[in-house]
Amino acid sequence: QVQLQESGPGLVKPSQTLSLICAVSGASISSGFYYWTWVRQPAGKGLEWIGRVYTSGSTNYNPSLKSRVTISVDTSKNQVSLELSSVTAADTAVYYCARDSLAEGFWYFDLWGRGTLVTVSS
Amino acid sequence: QAGLTQPPSVSRGLRQTATLTCTGNSNNVGNQGAAWLQQHQGHPPKLLSYRNNNRPSGISERFSASRSGNTASLIITGLQPEDEADYYCSAWDSSLTAWVFGGGTKLTVL
Repeated sequence: QVQLQESGPGLVKPSQTLSLICAVSGASISSGFYYWTWVRQPAGKGLEWIGRVYTSGSTNYNPSLKSRVTISVDTSKNQVSLELSSVTAADTAVYYCARDSLAEGFWYFDLWGRGTLVTVSS
Repeated sequence: QAGLTQPPSVSRGLRQTATLTCTGNSNNVGNQGAAWLQQHQGHPPKLLSYRNNNRPSGISERFSASRSGNTASLIITGLQPEDEADYYCSAWDSSLTAWVFGGGTKLTVL
């Protein structure tokens, strides 16, 4: 059973860089046709897609966050990482890692981590 | 980033049918269709359907989806108390080369 587990600092200071890891267990991150995605959700608000990475390293980013986001994959560690620079209080949210699967030419999020809360505050 | 439009809330009675809508454009819903996610308070989202009306294993047949043009719909029949949750639609936008979500619909089962 494939599982995703997000981890990282729960508190980040304004202007610093938020760094999170998504550890994939139960299968090789390189197997199958999957993108690995980051999504965030501020308290009481909706879902916001941050970006995704393929195992080849190919990425797509949310245009509104693109200048601050880096998503990468480490196949040797079976994990995906997220870096978001120059954070402000508006970046406070629960951050989810999700798997983006392909079926008949259609991508969809079929697997989610439990999420990790990141608060930006001094 | 609510690229898709969903009604903020829908209320229906127990055992009734709820239809949730999601409107996008020809670059997202109209092109690729939509996937639907259910989220209970304090939990991660869960996939309900994808590619308009494919259900993952374990998802009740009470959940079905459809698409007409740029609007996708999630139909929930025989509403149960556990269906009370937030529902999000999602679609890949080929113009933005980005995923877009709806703002979510809070379903209340009366």
